Amino acid sequence: AQSVAQPEDQVNVAEGNPLTVKCTYSVSGNPYLFWYVQYPNRGLQFLLKYITGDNLVKGSYGFEAEFNKSQTSFHLKKPSALVSDSALYFCAVRDIGDNDYKLSFGAGTTVTVRA
Amino acid sequence: DTEVTQTPKHLVMGMTNKKSLKCEQHMGHRAMYWYKQKAKKPPELMFVYSYEKLSINESVPSRFSPECPNSSLLNLHLHALQPEDSALYLCASSQDEAGGPSGEQFFGPGTRLTVL
Repeated sequence: AQSVAQPEDQVNVAEGNPLTVKCTYSVSGNPYLFWYVQYPNRGLQFLLKYITGDNLVKGSYGFEAEFNKSQTSFHLKKPSALVSDSALYFCAVRDIGDNDYKLSFGAGTTVTVRA
Repeated sequence: DTEVTQTPKHLVMGMTNKKSLKCEQHMGHRAMYWYKQKAKKPPELMFVYSYEKLSINESVPSRFSPECPNSSLLNLHLHALQPEDSALYLCASSQDEAGGPSGEQFFGPGTRLTVL
């Protein structure tokens, strides 16, 4: 079984400040981890993924995430947030060992960046 | 082309209507998905097609009927829907190698469905 937890429903930051969106996961084997962003009335846009290799993953729009196996976390970060980063963010996981098409999504975190 | 397209963008239908949602991708992906998403909730998987064959049906009511005419197209046929079926319906695709998915899923913009 696999699952994802996003412990914060909402994150509010001022423009120019660092942004962190938290994600922890649970899989029986090794994880594929993903971050997606969803703007209002739009589909999900892929931001970045961790498959293997370097624990620090860089993605689109200046976002990065750090895979921490001991803490089973994959937090999303951006050094300097923009108002345009305001959106709904989803973390997702799949167990590498499963030939299974199912992604487990977190509940989502709404990010609001104030000017 | 790294885009998944969906038509229509919006659909309003009565409970006795029959309608179809369409999805298309030209990335050569052999896995395609239908998801249902309620407001501010994560997407819920409905169906998965792998190499044009239905691989997963997440116990979806028979009033939703998927179809994969070819490797680029995915349809969702709707009949006798209920008001609670109103939601954003998302299509996605991903690479499919050796019978399993690899990499990320690419999502379309969705069809906003309202059932009256």
